[in-house]
Parts: sequence; structure tokens; C-alpha cells
Amino acid sequence: AQKVTQAQTEISVVEKEDVTLDCVYETRDTTYYLFWYKQPPSGELVFLIRRNSFDEQNEISGRYSWNFQKSTSSFNFTITASQVVDSAVYFCALSATSGTYKYIFGTGTRLKVLA
Amino acid sequence: SAVISQKPSRDICQRGTSLTIQCQVDSQVTMMFWYRQQPGQSLTLIATANQGSEATYESGFVIDKFPISRPNLTFSTLTVSNMSPEDSSIYLCSVEDPAGGDEQFFGPGTRLTVL
Repeated sequence: AQKVTQAQTEISVVEKEDVTLDCVYETRDTTYYLFWYKQPPSGELVFLIRRNSFDEQNEISGRYSWNFQKSTSSFNFTITASQVVDSAVYFCALSATSGTYKYIFGTGTRLKVLA
Repeated sequence: SAVISQKPSRDICQRGTSLTIQCQVDSQVTMMFWYRQQPGQSLTLIATANQGSEATYESGFVIDKFPISRPNLTFSTLTVSNMSPEDSSIYLCSVEDPAGGDEQFFGPGTRLTVL
């Protein structure tokens, strides 16, 4: 079975704090992809990052960084020096069936950054 | 990436009626997807729509309730038929990356309220 768990339903931080959003996944496939999307109040999903199962290098993009650890089946997302504009729901997703592009989404984490 | 538009952006409908949602993408893509996001919930895949073939529906979704058309490589429609208040959701279309990547790009969504 494939599953994505985002245990944090909602997180509130004060602006400029660092925050980590957790994502744990389950799959029996050896080839899979992990994604993070941001959904601001407008409702549109914004693609943030893709990581394939063979690439465990961490990635940094500006204030965003991602930590992929196959040993713990986790793909965590850290926002450094959070800003009010980071307030959104963040979804982690798994695509593990080659060629079908089917996504399994986690339940999302609502991040509130307070000024 | 891909630029995706959806019409209507939102609608309020009466029980028992039907609504057709349009999805237009600025690039030719083979695979388009329709998702439902119920209030406060994650995204659930309704069906995959490939040009030139019947849509493939996920468990729990049937063609009579959610007929889909895919007349060409840049356009698709989803109809929500015989609506009930339980159909109140955001409906999103997405497409595979036209450049061949593994991520999906999402439209802005259609917010449907059924009274």
C-alpha cells in the first residue's frame, strides 16, 4: 500500500522563526517520486520540489530546504526565517507507480506565520 | 511548466443540477487529471483523462456521476452530475509536465457550492 502521512495538522510560528514540516511515506516500489506543493488561500497548488528515490541529496532553494531520508522514509521541508506570505497549506505527495503519474497526497499541514 | 486555466472559478448550484468545468492548458499534454478537494481535506484523484481514450476512474468515482471529455491535447471537461451538497468541493485539474518531468501542474481550481 502507498501512503503519505503528514502528522502535523496545523503549525503556528512567529515571523522569522524556522519551521519544519514533516512528511513520512510508505511504498513498496523502489522507484518513486516525492513532491511538495503549496496551497495558498487562493486555492491554487504551487509546485515546490520533486525528488526521486535515487537522489537523497538535500536541496536548498532560498529559504526553503528539503531533507530526504530513505532510511526513515521521510521527506521533510524546512522554511528558514518564515514570512507571513509563507502562510498556506503544504502538501506532500508520492508518485510510485511508474508511468501513470498517480499522486497520493498527504492530508496537508496548515502553516500560519504570525507577524 | 504549464499554465492552466479553469472555468468557472466558482459557482453556487442547486441540488439536482449539473455543472461542467473546463480546463485549458497552454501546452499539448497527453495526460490530464481531475481531483476533488473537499472542505479542509486533501486532494483525491477522480480520474485520469488521456486524449483519444476513455477516462480512467479511481475507486469510488463513476462515469455517470463525473463524465469527462478530452477532445484534444489542450482541453478537458469534468461534469458533476445530479449534484448534492456532498459534492461541494474544490475541483482541480492538473497536467503532466509538458517538458517531460514527473511533476504535475495544477489549475487554480473551481470552488463549487451545492445548496
